[in-house]
Amino acid sequence: GIQVEQSPPDLILQEGANSTLRCNFSDSVNNLQWFHQNPWGQLINLFYIPSGTKQNGRLSATTVATERYSLLYISSSQTTDSGVYFCAVVGGTSYGKLTFGQGTILTVHP
Amino acid sequence: NAGVMQNPRHLVRRRGQEARLRCSPMKGHSHVYWYRQLPEEGLKFMVYLQKENIIDESGMPKERFSAEFPKEGPSILRIQQVVRGDSAAYFCASSPLAGESEQYFGPGTRLTVT
Repeated sequence: GIQVEQSPPDLILQEGANSTLRCNFSDSVNNLQWFHQNPWGQLINLFYIPSGTKQNGRLSATTVATERYSLLYISSSQTTDSGVYFCAVVGGTSYGKLTFGQGTILTVHP
Repeated sequence: NAGVMQNPRHLVRRRGQEARLRCSPMKGHSHVYWYRQLPEEGLKFMVYLQKENIIDESGMPKERFSAEFPKEGPSILRIQQVVRGDSAAYFCASSPLAGESEQYFGPGTRLTVT
Protein backbone atom coordinates (compact mmCIF):
# COMPACT_ATOMS: atom_id res chain seq x y z
CA GLY A 1 0.00 0.00 0.00
CA ILE A 2 0.91 3.67 -0.10
CA GLN A 3 3.57 4.93 2.30
CA VAL A 4 3.37 8.31 4.04
CA GLU A 5 6.37 9.86 5.76
CA GLN A 6 6.34 13.06 7.77
CA SER A 7 9.24 15.21 8.88
CA PRO A 8 10.48 16.32 11.27
CA PRO A 9 9.16 13.90 13.91
CA ASP A 10 9.50 16.51 16.64
CA LEU A 11 9.66 20.30 16.54
CA ILE A 12 10.13 22.75 19.40
CA LEU A 13 9.51 26.45 18.79
CA GLN A 14 9.33 29.70 20.65
CA GLU A 15 6.07 31.59 20.32
CA GLY A 16 6.12 33.77 17.22
CA ALA A 17 8.40 31.53 15.17
CA ASN A 18 7.53 30.11 11.75
CA SER A 19 7.76 26.44 10.76
CA THR A 20 7.36 24.08 7.81
CA LEU A 21 6.16 20.51 8.12
CA ARG A 22 6.65 18.06 5.26
CA CYS A 23 4.69 15.03 4.06
CA ASN A 24 6.07 12.67 1.41
CA PHE A 25 3.95 9.96 -0.16
CA SER A 26 4.93 7.04 -2.34
CA ASP A 27 2.19 6.95 -4.98
CA SER A 28 -0.47 9.05 -6.67
CA VAL A 29 -3.24 10.29 -4.37
CA ASN A 30 -6.90 11.19 -4.73
CA ASN A 31 -7.18 12.91 -1.37
CA LEU A 32 -4.69 14.57 0.96
CA GLN A 33 -5.66 16.06 4.30
CA TRP A 34 -3.77 17.78 7.12
CA PHE A 35 -5.02 17.41 10.69
CA HIS A 36 -4.11 18.84 14.07
CA GLN A 37 -4.60 16.54 17.04
CA ASN A 38 -4.87 18.78 20.07
CA PRO A 39 -3.75 17.82 23.59
CA TRP A 40 -7.31 16.58 24.31
CA GLY A 41 -7.02 14.07 21.48
CA GLN A 42 -9.44 15.69 19.06
CA LEU A 43 -8.64 15.65 15.34
CA ILE A 44 -9.15 19.02 13.74
CA ASN A 45 -9.38 19.30 9.94
CA LEU A 46 -6.87 21.86 8.69
CA PHE A 47 -6.80 21.38 4.93
CA TYR A 48 -8.20 19.17 2.20
CA ILE A 49 -5.53 19.65 -0.45
CA PRO A 50 -4.89 16.89 -3.02
CA SER A 51 -3.15 19.53 -5.14
CA GLY A 52 -2.45 23.25 -5.20
CA THR A 53 -2.13 25.84 -2.43
CA LYS A 54 -4.55 26.96 0.26
CA GLN A 55 -4.36 29.44 3.11
CA ASN A 56 -6.36 29.79 6.31
CA GLY A 57 -5.20 32.53 8.62
CA ARG A 58 -1.70 31.76 9.90
CA LEU A 59 -1.70 28.36 8.25
CA SER A 60 -1.13 27.50 4.63
CA ALA A 61 -0.49 24.31 2.70
CA THR A 62 0.89 23.33 -0.68
CA THR A 63 0.69 19.94 -2.38
CA VAL A 64 2.81 19.13 -5.43
CA ALA A 65 1.14 15.92 -6.52
CA THR A 66 3.53 15.25 -9.42
CA GLU A 67 6.47 15.26 -6.99
CA ARG A 68 4.54 13.46 -4.26
CA TYR A 69 4.88 15.84 -1.35
CA SER A 70 2.90 18.35 0.66
CA LEU A 71 4.01 21.15 2.96
CA LEU A 72 2.21 22.74 5.90
CA TYR A 73 3.36 26.21 6.91
CA ILE A 74 2.66 27.67 10.33
CA SER A 75 3.49 31.34 10.77
CA SER A 76 3.71 33.33 14.01
CA SER A 77 3.19 30.19 16.06
CA GLN A 78 1.17 30.30 19.28
CA THR A 79 1.12 27.97 22.28
CA THR A 80 -2.30 26.74 21.16
CA ASP A 81 -0.65 25.36 18.00
CA SER A 82 0.99 22.67 20.13
CA GLY A 83 -0.04 19.10 19.43
CA VAL A 84 0.47 16.50 16.72
CA TYR A 85 0.10 17.30 13.04
CA PHE A 86 -0.91 14.45 10.76
CA CYS A 87 -0.86 14.17 7.01
CA ALA A 88 -3.19 11.54 5.55
CA VAL A 89 -3.79 10.40 1.97
CA VAL A 90 -6.13 8.23 -0.05
CA GLY A 91 -3.96 6.36 -2.52
CA GLY A 92 -4.98 5.89 -6.13
CA THR A 93 -6.37 2.39 -5.55
CA SER A 94 -7.49 2.77 -1.92
CA TYR A 95 -11.09 3.86 -2.23
CA GLY A 96 -11.84 5.96 0.84
CA LYS A 97 -9.09 4.54 3.03
CA LEU A 98 -7.01 7.32 4.59
CA THR A 99 -3.42 6.29 5.29
CA PHE A 100 -1.83 8.44 7.98
CA GLY A 101 1.75 9.49 8.45
CA GLN A 102 3.34 9.04 11.86
CA GLY A 103 2.85 12.70 12.70
CA THR A 104 4.96 15.68 13.73
CA ILE A 105 4.85 16.57 17.43
CA LEU A 106 4.93 20.36 17.73
CA THR A 107 5.63 22.10 21.04
CA VAL A 108 5.38 25.89 21.18
CA HIS A 109 6.86 27.54 24.27
CA PRO A 110 5.69 30.97 25.48
CA ASN B 1 -24.78 21.87 11.08
CA ALA B 2 -23.68 19.51 13.83
CA GLY B 3 -20.42 17.67 13.33
CA VAL B 4 -19.78 13.97 13.53
CA MET B 5 -21.03 12.66 16.86
CA GLN B 6 -19.64 9.70 18.73
CA ASN B 7 -20.80 8.11 21.94
CA PRO B 8 -19.85 7.25 24.48
CA ARG B 9 -16.78 9.46 24.71
CA HIS B 10 -15.21 7.16 27.27
CA LEU B 11 -15.96 3.48 27.76
CA VAL B 12 -14.54 1.10 30.34
CA ARG B 13 -14.99 -2.63 29.87
CA ARG B 14 -13.65 -5.67 31.68
CA ARG B 15 -11.89 -8.35 29.70
CA GLY B 16 -14.42 -10.61 27.99
CA GLN B 17 -17.23 -8.03 27.83
CA GLU B 18 -18.64 -6.48 24.67
CA ALA B 19 -18.05 -2.89 23.56
CA ARG B 20 -20.44 -0.99 21.30
CA LEU B 21 -19.29 2.30 19.83
CA ARG B 22 -21.74 4.57 18.03
CA CYS B 23 -21.19 7.13 15.32
CA SER B 24 -23.70 9.58 13.83
CA PRO B 25 -22.33 11.15 10.63
CA MET B 26 -22.77 14.77 9.67
CA LYS B 27 -26.14 15.60 8.17
CA GLY B 28 -26.22 14.66 4.50
CA HIS B 29 -23.22 12.34 4.75
CA SER B 30 -23.79 8.73 3.74
CA HIS B 31 -20.18 7.49 3.94
CA VAL B 32 -18.69 6.45 7.29
CA TYR B 33 -15.15 5.38 8.18
CA TRP B 34 -13.72 3.94 11.40
CA TYR B 35 -10.09 4.40 12.50
CA ARG B 36 -8.19 3.22 15.56
CA GLN B 37 -5.33 4.94 17.39
CA LEU B 38 -3.44 2.59 19.66
CA PRO B 39 -1.23 4.09 22.39
CA GLU B 40 2.06 5.36 20.96
CA GLU B 41 0.92 4.46 17.44
CA GLY B 42 -0.59 6.38 14.58
CA LEU B 43 -4.10 6.25 13.23
CA LYS B 44 -5.03 3.12 11.29
CA PHE B 45 -7.98 2.57 8.97
CA MET B 46 -10.41 -0.14 10.01
CA VAL B 47 -13.53 -0.08 7.83
CA TYR B 48 -15.45 2.03 5.29
CA LEU B 49 -19.24 1.75 5.12
CA GLN B 50 -22.01 3.24 3.09
CA LYS B 51 -25.64 2.91 4.10
CA GLU B 52 -26.31 -0.84 4.59
CA ASN B 53 -23.07 -1.80 2.81
CA ILE B 54 -19.49 -2.52 3.83
CA ILE B 55 -17.26 -1.06 1.12
CA ASP B 56 -13.80 -1.89 2.52
CA GLU B 57 -13.05 -3.81 5.72
CA SER B 58 -9.40 -4.51 4.98
CA GLY B 59 -8.26 -2.94 8.27
CA MET B 60 -10.63 -4.84 10.55
CA PRO B 61 -9.21 -7.62 12.73
CA LYS B 62 -10.59 -10.93 11.46
CA GLU B 63 -12.15 -11.95 14.78
CA ARG B 64 -14.29 -10.23 17.41
CA PHE B 65 -14.73 -6.98 15.43
CA SER B 66 -17.75 -6.06 13.30
CA ALA B 67 -19.29 -2.89 11.93
CA GLU B 68 -22.62 -1.87 10.49
CA PHE B 69 -24.32 1.23 9.14
CA PRO B 70 -28.04 0.51 8.96
CA LYS B 71 -30.58 2.34 6.85
CA GLU B 72 -31.82 4.13 9.96
CA GLY B 73 -29.69 5.09 12.94
CA PRO B 74 -25.99 5.45 13.69
CA SER B 75 -23.09 3.32 12.57
CA ILE B 76 -22.02 0.78 15.19
CA LEU B 77 -18.54 -0.66 15.78
CA ARG B 78 -18.86 -3.77 17.90
CA ILE B 79 -16.02 -5.50 19.71
CA GLN B 80 -16.83 -8.84 21.30
CA GLN B 81 -14.88 -10.40 24.17
CA VAL B 82 -12.59 -7.40 24.57
CA VAL B 83 -8.95 -7.86 25.54
CA ARG B 84 -6.48 -5.35 26.99
CA GLY B 85 -4.93 -4.87 23.55
CA ASP B 86 -8.22 -3.37 22.34
CA SER B 87 -7.67 -0.32 24.59
CA ALA B 88 -7.39 2.58 22.17
CA ALA B 89 -9.08 5.67 20.79
CA TYR B 90 -11.62 4.83 18.10
CA PHE B 91 -12.46 7.60 15.66
CA CYS B 92 -15.31 7.79 13.23
CA ALA B 93 -15.29 10.01 10.14
CA SER B 94 -17.88 10.82 7.52
CA SER B 95 -17.95 12.30 4.04
CA PRO B 96 -20.71 13.48 1.72
CA LEU B 97 -19.43 11.82 -1.40
CA ALA B 98 -17.41 8.78 -2.37
CA GLY B 99 -14.07 7.86 -0.88
CA GLU B 100 -11.96 10.64 -2.35
CA SER B 101 -13.84 13.51 -0.71
CA GLU B 102 -12.85 15.26 2.52
CA GLN B 103 -13.44 13.24 5.67
CA TYR B 104 -14.62 14.92 8.86
CA PHE B 105 -13.74 13.30 12.18
CA GLY B 106 -15.69 12.88 15.37
CA PRO B 107 -14.23 13.43 18.85
CA GLY B 108 -13.47 9.74 19.31
CA THR B 109 -14.34 7.08 21.87
CA ARG B 110 -11.62 6.14 24.32
CA LEU B 111 -11.96 2.48 25.20
CA THR B 112 -10.20 1.16 28.29
CA VAL B 113 -10.18 -2.56 28.96
CA THR B 114 -9.41 -3.52 32.55
